[in-house]
Amino acid sequence: GQNIDQPTEMTATEGAIVQINCTYQTSGFNGLFWYQQHAGEAPTFLSYNVLDGLEEKGRFSSFLSRSKGYSYLLLKELQMKDSASYLCASAGGSYIPTFGRGTSLIVHP
Amino acid sequence: DSGVTQTPKHLITATGQRVTLRCSPRSGDLSVYWYQQSLDQGLQFLIQYYNGEERAKGNILERFSAQQFPDLHSELNLSSLELGDSALYFCASSPHPRGNYMNTEAFFGQGTRLTVV
Repeated sequence: GQNIDQPTEMTATEGAIVQINCTYQTSGFNGLFWYQQHAGEAPTFLSYNVLDGLEEKGRFSSFLSRSKGYSYLLLKELQMKDSASYLCASAGGSYIPTFGRGTSLIVHP
Repeated sequence: DSGVTQTPKHLITATGQRVTLRCSPRSGDLSVYWYQQSLDQGLQFLIQYYNGEERAKGNILERFSAQQFPDLHSELNLSSLELGDSALYFCASSPHPRGNYMNTEAFFGQGTRLTVV
């Protein structure tokens, strides 16, 4: 089975850095995804990690530790438009991602 | 625009009724996935089709069924609808030739918002 845990809500200030944590328990782990979803819209892909370490992509970075069942998404230089829900999803033996309930990030001026 | 098209965007129907949601994947994508998203459950995987055949099943109720046609579009059929079926239903497609995510992203459509009254 698969179990994903991430905080329900976080707030941060424009221009700051925020780290959204995710822990997972997945049989036959095949990767960890992060998606961004604005209210009422489709999720959009941010990152995929299958090996330990940090992957950087512009203002967004994602980290994975397979031994700890832990990942985080790091958002730098926060902008108002980054206010959204951030979904952590782990892929198991079937390769189908199981999504967490998401972390609602509120960026304020 | 992800290239995945879902129709209709909104649907309001009564309990006990049956509805069909339609999805056209991105050109060339063979895999289609259906997800349900409700406020209290998050994004739940329902079912995956690959090149016309059922590939994987998630938390899909027996009242729900899906199929993928030769032109690769897919339909999700929801019957004997209950109030609790009110949710956003997303379709996603994947370019991976083996029909699973692997290290490729899935492209989500804009969803169909179903309201059962």
